[in-house]
Amino acid sequence: DTGVSQNPRHKITKRGQNVTFRCDPISEHNRLYWYRQTLGQGPEFLTYFQNEAQLEKSRLLSDRFSAERPKGSFSTLEIQRTEQGDSAMYLCASTLLGADTQYFGPGTRLTVL
Amino acid sequence: EDQVTQSPEALRLQEGESSSLNCSYTVSGLRGLFWYRQDPGKGPEFLFTLYSAGEEKEKERLKATLTKKESFLHITAPKPEDSATYLCAVLFSFTTSGSRLTFGEGTQLTVNP
Repeated sequence: DTGVSQNPRHKITKRGQNVTFRCDPISEHNRLYWYRQTLGQGPEFLTYFQNEAQLEKSRLLSDRFSAERPKGSFSTLEIQRTEQGDSAMYLCASTLLGADTQYFGPGTRLTVL
Repeated sequence: EDQVTQSPEALRLQEGESSSLNCSYTVSGLRGLFWYRQDPGKGPEFLFTLYSAGEEKEKERLKATLTKKESFLHITAPKPEDSATYLCAVLFSFTTSGSRLTFGEGTQLTVNP
């Protein structure tokens, strides 16, 4: 069990550019979640997948954000036309179907200049 | 609206000085309450899951308890390595908000030697 991994760990981009993050969940975990965390705040839910199906999206997930989990394994989160307000830590978590505890990855820190 | 509130926002203790952190919630349909520890620049690390009022969990110097409206994280004789932000999160029943976690803003704990 190698835990949840996320890449890259840090991303600096200019406003208006597109960025993509990757999350590899714990092996055999069916459910995968994306959260966003800004400084001094708790993580906020963005979206989650059960296998390859995206089952829920937060209203925080504007149309500039898209997430995929094409084969039910790793997931990608893409932000198009980044804005300075998108600067945050993007966290991925996973869990087994039927279990409740979510295990988090180390996060991707996004800075939009 | 379902809410999770943590207090205090920040807490400074001397090594060996025991204290408690509070997490209060107003939810309709609590499925579970979780405590996580988060070190700067890292993802949340799972500590405890609590499901029903009266339940208690312990791990080293930490003990988590749950009532119908709040949870406490008791820290006994803390050490400097316990310094971190402690996050509380609530899982609502599946019939209302899927399986998203709703987090409080966290308590930043500093333990001085």
